[in-house]
Amino acid sequence: DIQMTQSPSSLSASVGDRVTITCRASQSISSYLNWYQQKPGKAPKLLIYAASSLQSGVPSRFSGSRSGTDFTLTISSLQPEDFATYYCQQSSSTPYTFGQGTKLEIK
Amino acid sequence: EVQLVESGGGLVQPGGSLRLSCAASGFTFSNYEMNWVRQAPGKGLEWVSYISSSGSTIYYVDSVKGRFTISRDNAKNSLYLQMNSLRAEDSAVYYCASTTRMDVWGQGTTVTVSS
Repeated sequence: DIQMTQSPSSLSASVGDRVTITCRASQSISSYLNWYQQKPGKAPKLLIYAASSLQSGVPSRFSGSRSGTDFTLTISSLQPEDFATYYCQQSSSTPYTFGQGTKLEIK
Repeated sequence: EVQLVESGGGLVQPGGSLRLSCAASGFTFSNYEMNWVRQAPGKGLEWVSYISSSGSTIYYVDSVKGRFTISRDNAKNSLYLQMNSLRAEDSAVYYCASTTRMDVWGQGTTVTVSS
């Protein structure tokens, strides 16, 4: 199985900050990497697919990148509605594993 | 509006069975592969199962193989998850989600396995 190691597990930041979350795959997954945002009591929401493609309707302050098996989600300027938990997920091969999540909290 | 609506969750005793349903609307369901994903209380997301658009290709996470069965009825725009021999560790919110990039999710249905 492909392991997805996400860091950090939690992060405190302020409105307006630039934030980066990373995810490392245990083997090559090409660009089959998706990022989701989840708020308490709600279903996850797709933000980024194929490592760097912005899902329709998602603000442009969210971006994704890839370097080998390392993937990054960047929020360029945090907004109040961005405080949530973020997950990466590989869709290269089953089981489609998720990272353990990053909880983004208000500083 | 593109929508997925899960149903069928509830409280069941260990060893019992449940059948979850996911009703799709607002898109051509028969064209899209589907997944079930679960989230135990206070925990992260876990992919459970995948089914291709025609139903001919199916995958499961190891922990549910032989106990859970995914299926779909494209004429009824519906996805199902038959869960047998349920264990306490199967307790979770179960979501259906469309395509491998999971761009549309339902609101979830809660399964609690407890005596």
